[in-house]
Amino acid sequence: EAGVTQFPSHSVIEKGQTVTLRCDPISGHDNLYWYRRVMGKEIKFLLHFVKESKQDESGMPNNRFLAERTGGTYSTLKVQPAELEDSGVYFCASSPRDSPNEKLFFGSGTQLSVL
Amino acid sequence: KQEVTQIPAALSVPEGENLVLNCSFTDSAIYNLQWFRQDPGKGLTSLLLIQSSQREQTSGRLNASLDKSSGRSTLYIAASQPGDSATYLCAVRKVWGSTLGRLYFGRGTQLTVWP
Repeated sequence: EAGVTQFPSHSVIEKGQTVTLRCDPISGHDNLYWYRRVMGKEIKFLLHFVKESKQDESGMPNNRFLAERTGGTYSTLKVQPAELEDSGVYFCASSPRDSPNEKLFFGSGTQLSVL
Repeated sequence: KQEVTQIPAALSVPEGENLVLNCSFTDSAIYNLQWFRQDPGKGLTSLLLIQSSQREQTSGRLNASLDKSSGRSTLYIAASQPGDSATYLCAVRKVWGSTLGRLYFGRGTQLTVWP
């Protein structure tokens, strides 16, 4: 069974450019989460999808970030325009159910560097 | 607000030593606590999950304890090996919140076990 897959693994862009990150969850997992770790800080929650619907986007830092999950399969996270403080590792995770006892399966992350 | 702290931030030990990694959290209203392992360039792998009603969980050479009332957890690694070298992350799930899969992470302990 394939795990959570993220593309690209690394992205280097200049300030002001646009970047789109992709996450393919485990097949059949309705719940998809985005997390982010910026340098020196802890991993923080960004948002949660249940199928194609945004269940909780309270962790999104500002309106330069746009997440979508059309069709309830893969998800994209777009940063437009990117700023220096957006640099970090963006993780995607998925689970079959949004249950407190459910384990989350994490992808390897996308390392984003904004220069 | 839930804050998770991990001590020490880094640890370097010779092979064979028994280790204790510490995690503390400010809000004791949690469903469970998880310990993750992250290898460089890889995703997070769940090691142990302790329910709030439990005191400890064991898996092989790993033992995690939880004292919910005091807001503390420890991860004990017996007879450490070079292959244990990784970053160890502690994360808690709050009781209240719109997203039950939302985890609150510590910054991690970077462990190096040398031969």
